[in-house]
Amino acid sequence: AQSVTQLDSHVSVSEGTPVLLRCNYSSSYSPSLFWYVQHPNKGLQLLLKYTSAATLVKGINGFEAEFKKSETSFHLTKPSAHMSDAAEYFCVVSDGSTSGTYKYIFGTGTRLKVLA
Amino acid sequence: DTGVSQNPRHKITKRGQNVTFRCDPISEHNRLYWYRQTLGQGPEFLTYFQNEAQLEKSRLLSDRFSAERPKGSFSTLEIQRTEQGDSAMYLCASSSPGPRNTEAFFGQGTRLTVV
Repeated sequence: AQSVTQLDSHVSVSEGTPVLLRCNYSSSYSPSLFWYVQHPNKGLQLLLKYTSAATLVKGINGFEAEFKKSETSFHLTKPSAHMSDAAEYFCVVSDGSTSGTYKYIFGTGTRLKVLA
Repeated sequence: DTGVSQNPRHKITKRGQNVTFRCDPISEHNRLYWYRQTLGQGPEFLTYFQNEAQLEKSRLLSDRFSAERPKGSFSTLEIQRTEQGDSAMYLCASSSPGPRNTEAFFGQGTRLTVV
C-alpha cells in the first residue's frame, strides 16, 4: 500500500515570501502524486499532478512541485505567497485497489496561513 | 455549473435517525467515489462505483452505511441509525476512465452533524 506524509500541519508565511509545503511518499513502484487545495466552504481543487513525464511540475496559481525519487519527496513551493493562498493543502497518492482501479490516499493536510 | 454537485450541503440530525446524501457527478464521468473527512484530517476513502457497479468498499464503511448508483449517474449515500461519530464532511468525487494519474473532481461536500 502507498502512503503520503505531510511533515507540517501548519505553516505561516508573510505575504510576498516563498512557500514550502513538505510531502514525503511511500511507494513500492513509481507513484502518481497530486497536490490539492481546499479553501473554506469550497471543494477540493487540483493544483498539480506528477505524471512521470517531468520531475518539476508546474501547477495553477504559480505553484510547482518537484518529484525527488532519491528523497521520496514531492514538496510544493511558490516563490511569493499571496493572501488568497491561505487554505488547507493536501498531498495525495493514487493507490491501486482490489477493484483494479485507483483511489486517492490523502495526507493529513497542511494549513497555510499568510500574514499581511 | 458542470462540476460535481452534492446535496444537501449541511445536515443536522438526531442520533439514531437515518440520513441520505446525494451526489451528481460530472455527466461523462463513469467513476464515482465517496470519501469522509473529519476535522483536522485528510479525506478517507469509503467506496467506489464504476458506472452502476459498486466495486470497492472500505472497512470504514460499516453495515449502517449503504451507497447506490442505480443508473450509473447520480449516487446516494445512506447512513442508518446515525451515531455521533458519524459527524463529518462527506465528499463525492468523479473521474473519467484513465490511468493511475487521472484527475478526480470533488464536490463541495455534505457536512453532517449528529446531535
